[in-house]
Amino acid sequence: GENVEQHPSTLSVQEGDSAVIKCTYSDSASNYFPWYKQELGKRPQLIIDIRSNVGEKKDQRIAVTLNKTAKHFSLHITETQPEDSAVYFCAASAPSGSARQLTFGSGTQLTVLP
Amino acid sequence: ETGVTQTPRHLVMGMTNKKSLKCEQHLGHNAMYWYKQSAKKPLELMFVYNFKEQTENNSVPSRFSPECPNSSHLFLHLHTLQPEDSALYLCASSQVQGGAGELFFGEGSRLTVL
Repeated sequence: GENVEQHPSTLSVQEGDSAVIKCTYSDSASNYFPWYKQELGKRPQLIIDIRSNVGEKKDQRIAVTLNKTAKHFSLHITETQPEDSAVYFCAASAPSGSARQLTFGSGTQLTVLP
Repeated sequence: ETGVTQTPRHLVMGMTNKKSLKCEQHLGHNAMYWYKQSAKKPLELMFVYNFKEQTENNSVPSRFSPECPNSSHLFLHLHTLQPEDSALYLCASSQVQGGAGELFFGEGSRLTVL
């Protein structure tokens, strides 16, 4: 089955700096890579996703890059703000005609210092 | 009420008790999921229901018993649990076929087994 590894487990940055979180996956058939943000005591929420037919996707201060050959993808947050502090999870799944089965990374605790 | 709602939000039970977690989605989705979230570990997929039919049971112990009476409701029946089962149990839903496949999570049920 799929295996997703995520690094680093914790990340502290100064407000205004950039943050990068990296994930690798093992199943070359995986074609969908979402990122979820989970604030303390809250539900995980999708912040951005990418499919394997594109290499990069951007939404305001958040961007995700995908390298299919190397089987890794990364989340980039620019101009970080204190409200970006949360746990971020990457995930991967292969094509399926039925319910999507995501394999999650272990999470990165991002702290943005004011 | 919109989105995915879970009850109860917190539950404390002894190892000999029987309790149930409830999940309801108001998004018109046709797939529902149970995930287990433990500290320092990735989100673990437990059960998947696609069009009310269980499609996956990821080697979950029989002391966890899911029930999906219709595409909007999902239950997790608990009996004779162990202390290591203490965790946050997250329900999610998604739209299979025709949707983006994004998972929408509930706020979770925090379970403590004494």
